[in-house]
Amino acid sequence: EDQVTQSPEALRLQEGESSSLNCSYTVSGLRGLFWYRQDPGKGPEFLFTLYSAGEEKEKERLKATLTKKESFLHITAPKPEDSATYLCAGGGYNKLIFGAGTRLAVHP
Amino acid sequence: KAGVTQTPRYLIKTRGQQVTLSCSPISGHRSVSWYQQTPGQGLQFLFEYFSETQRNKGNFPGRFSGRQFSNSRSEMNVSTLELGDSALYLCASSLVAGDHGYTFGSGTRLTVV
Repeated sequence: EDQVTQSPEALRLQEGESSSLNCSYTVSGLRGLFWYRQDPGKGPEFLFTLYSAGEEKEKERLKATLTKKESFLHITAPKPEDSATYLCAGGGYNKLIFGAGTRLAVHP
Repeated sequence: KAGVTQTPRYLIKTRGQQVTLSCSPISGHRSVSWYQQTPGQGLQFLFEYFSETQRNKGNFPGRFSGRQFSNSRSEMNVSTLELGDSALYLCASSLVAGDHGYTFGSGTRLTVV
């Protein structure tokens, strides 16, 4: 059965304290590993797509990496505006299989 | 550039009623997908439409249905509402079918009482 698991469920950081979010996946016929950010009361916002093990993508303070079984979202020197829920999803045939998300709170 | 527009933003319905939600995709996007988001189950796929055809359907009962019009706008309908249908319903659009780098709308918050 296709499954995406994210950890931790919640993470509290001090501003400037770097950390990583984990996403482990089992998706048959994987067509990309996706990261989204969701702010309260809004729909998810697309961040990255990774297609093959070893691939990395960066955007501002975020870097996503992919292995054959996991993906990591590294957050370097986070700011309070990075507070959000980060969702990982495996691309299956015609749909995304989402993890439950990691709620990130960055405090000044 | 206008984003994905979902209407209404909030809706309160009574058990047994039916509801129709609307989604206007980004101009030029021909694929529309619908997801249900709840605290317990997270985001779950409902269906995907492309060129007015349903390409795939998730594991939801037949009370959940949808359609897409020639201008790519989409609607989803839920009949005989149950309390468990309370959720945020999200519409996502992309240029072509199978492109999961979606642009999501802000969703319709449905509360069933």
